[in-house]
Amino acid sequence: IAGITQAPTSQILAAGRRMTLRCTQDMRHNAMYWYRQDLGLGLRLIHYSNTAGTTGKGEVPDGYSVSRANTDDFPLTLASAVPSQTSVYFCASSRLAGGPDAYNEQFFGPGTRLTVL
Amino acid sequence: DQQVKQNSPSLSVQEGRISILNCDYTNSMFDYFLWYKKYPAEGPTFLISISSIKDKNEDGRFTVFLNKSAKHLSLHIVPSQPGDSAVYFCAAKWFNNNDMRFGAGTRLTVKP
Repeated sequence: IAGITQAPTSQILAAGRRMTLRCTQDMRHNAMYWYRQDLGLGLRLIHYSNTAGTTGKGEVPDGYSVSRANTDDFPLTLASAVPSQTSVYFCASSRLAGGPDAYNEQFFGPGTRLTVL
Repeated sequence: DQQVKQNSPSLSVQEGRISILNCDYTNSMFDYFLWYKKYPAEGPTFLISISSIKDKNEDGRFTVFLNKSAKHLSLHIVPSQPGDSAVYFCAAKWFNNNDMRFGAGTRLTVKP
């Protein structure tokens, strides 16, 4: 089934530990995104990638890093987790990052619920 | 500073009636506006969108209205169905830019 998968589904992590959230899409989309969803704040963009080999910072990038070695995978790494990173993390992808496809629908994965203690 | 605001955290309507979800934004440079729907334990799914050059876009039971002078948009669902019960997020973006800004969401409950 085409779409986006995220792993793990949920995780409890001790503060100071390193954690990588995985995201894979099989739609051959060029652009990928990581968001965090917090109560009362909606979804906020952490990092994005327009195409394989490139990444960029979103609205709340501090404490997170990403890589885009190929089209399908876009892992998000927390080098040293802190309690304020407790959140639900969504990966998304879109065919293009912009341009003629103006509406640029983003397809979201099911999310990873992360708790940092 | 939230540039996209949904001031009603929740809305309850009767099945068959109209649901109206509201959204305000502060940045007049936004080019496109989108509505996403989210069920529990799932990612958001795209519902409908509108360009800043239009004031209305309709897709079946869903219509989005844009009032640029008031920096306000609304989503109308007619008639509302119990399956529409979900959290609805308003989002705005600039053309050719990745940075999509979301509102906090409105939880819609449609009662049978």
